[in-house]
Amino acid sequence: SQQGEEDPQALSIQEGENATMNCSYKTSINNLQWYRQNSGRGLVHLILIRSNEREKHSGRLRVTLDTSKKSSSLLITASRAADTASYFCATDPNFGNEKLTFGTGTRLTIIP
Amino acid sequence: DAGVIQSPRHEVTEMGQEVTLRCKPISGHDYLFWYRQTMMRGLELLIYFNNNVPIDDSGMPEDRFSAKMPNASFSTLKIQPSEPRDSAVYFCASTAGTGAFYEQYFGPGTRLTVT
Repeated sequence: SQQGEEDPQALSIQEGENATMNCSYKTSINNLQWYRQNSGRGLVHLILIRSNEREKHSGRLRVTLDTSKKSSSLLITASRAADTASYFCATDPNFGNEKLTFGTGTRLTIIP
Repeated sequence: DAGVIQSPRHEVTEMGQEVTLRCKPISGHDYLFWYRQTMMRGLELLIYFNNNVPIDDSGMPEDRFSAKMPNASFSTLKIQPSEPRDSAVYFCASTAGTGAFYEQYFGPGTRLTVT
């Protein structure tokens, strides 16, 4: 099974609304990262949050991490049509391991 | 910087043929990763290199798959012989430093179709 499971699998909202996506994982982690993938393109890194951090901001993005619940959320505020993409969380499941395990992704559609 | 470069962008081949995918990582990056993405299985790590040395190939599905990194600026992923179930998008990514602590930079991918 996936180390990271995003929820929901798909989300459609009106432009200007906020979008929230969640990620759950199973094992202890060093950090958690969020990536965006536009249709037909490679993944693009959005934000990284370390295991000793609880919240991080980057522009219109806000990420929270709850290691006790093994979960993270990505909030995109004031959504734009250009935010339409798939969003993936990625974790490094073993300390000192360079491998990232990606979740199943949330497909976000922003309706103009 | 041009980013991670992959070629070809699209490849259509017949079952049984040899397929070679190519990747040029970002200059100065010492980690290189090969991923495969399908609707059914999502994004899977196949193999990764550190300083041109393969570190973990546990994700390589079968002996039909092989990967090399002859130098810091070039890597190949070869499938021989190819099968229809190999159809997927293959991504190469690179990063600097300790791989999991730093963001990975992905190439645009190679869409492989095996008929």
